[in-house]
Amino acid sequence: DTEVTQTPKHLVMGMTNKKSLKCEQHMGHRAMYWYKQKAKKPPELMFVYSYEKLSINESVPSRFSPECPNSSLLNLHLHALQPEDSALYLCASSHLAGGPYEQYFGPGTRLTVT
Amino acid sequence: GENVEQHPSTLSVQEGDSAVIKCTYSDSASNYFPWYKQELGKGPQLIIDIRSNVGEKKDQRIAVTLNKTAKHFSLHITETQPEDSAVYFCAASANAGGTSYGKLTFGQGTILTVHP
Repeated sequence: DTEVTQTPKHLVMGMTNKKSLKCEQHMGHRAMYWYKQKAKKPPELMFVYSYEKLSINESVPSRFSPECPNSSLLNLHLHALQPEDSALYLCASSHLAGGPYEQYFGPGTRLTVT
Repeated sequence: GENVEQHPSTLSVQEGDSAVIKCTYSDSASNYFPWYKQELGKGPQLIIDIRSNVGEKKDQRIAVTLNKTAKHFSLHITETQPEDSAVYFCAASANAGGTSYGKLTFGQGTILTVHP
């Protein structure tokens, strides 16, 4: 099973709201990733967690705050977002970070900022 | 850093025809090349990958070839079906080390349409 799940599927939020995206995998993977994908573009890496520790932050604005509570869960906390942050947010996982290893993506959360 | 070019950006074929998508990469240290299929409203799905110690890999109707000397790799889909219609992304990655952690660098994507 190579399933990564994400909730919610869709999210609409105002610029003053605080919301969170959730991601879960039960493949025993120790690396988890957040990507942002705009329409008709490839995914752009935002964060990498390795063994529940943040190892890569691709210069993402502080209004995006990741969290990895345990080896199966990954959250992305959102606060004071801008309309240009509207996108598909994808979570992925791999056996380990840095292999390179196969990365498996979740279905994504479609975020709209109004 | 790594740069991946993908062509064509759109590809239209008749059902039963073959489809070929090509990618070139710039970093000779890259040694892992996955292909992802992304259907509308879904996340990217890993469909096949190849590592630099292999020249070709097949899985039923799909195959990937790698030419390390020329730094290019290709996805081949035979006997295409309407359900193959999607956006396809190639990517390249190198082992972690130095400034690299094994990051995937994606091509810009190819929109494949298979007409019944």
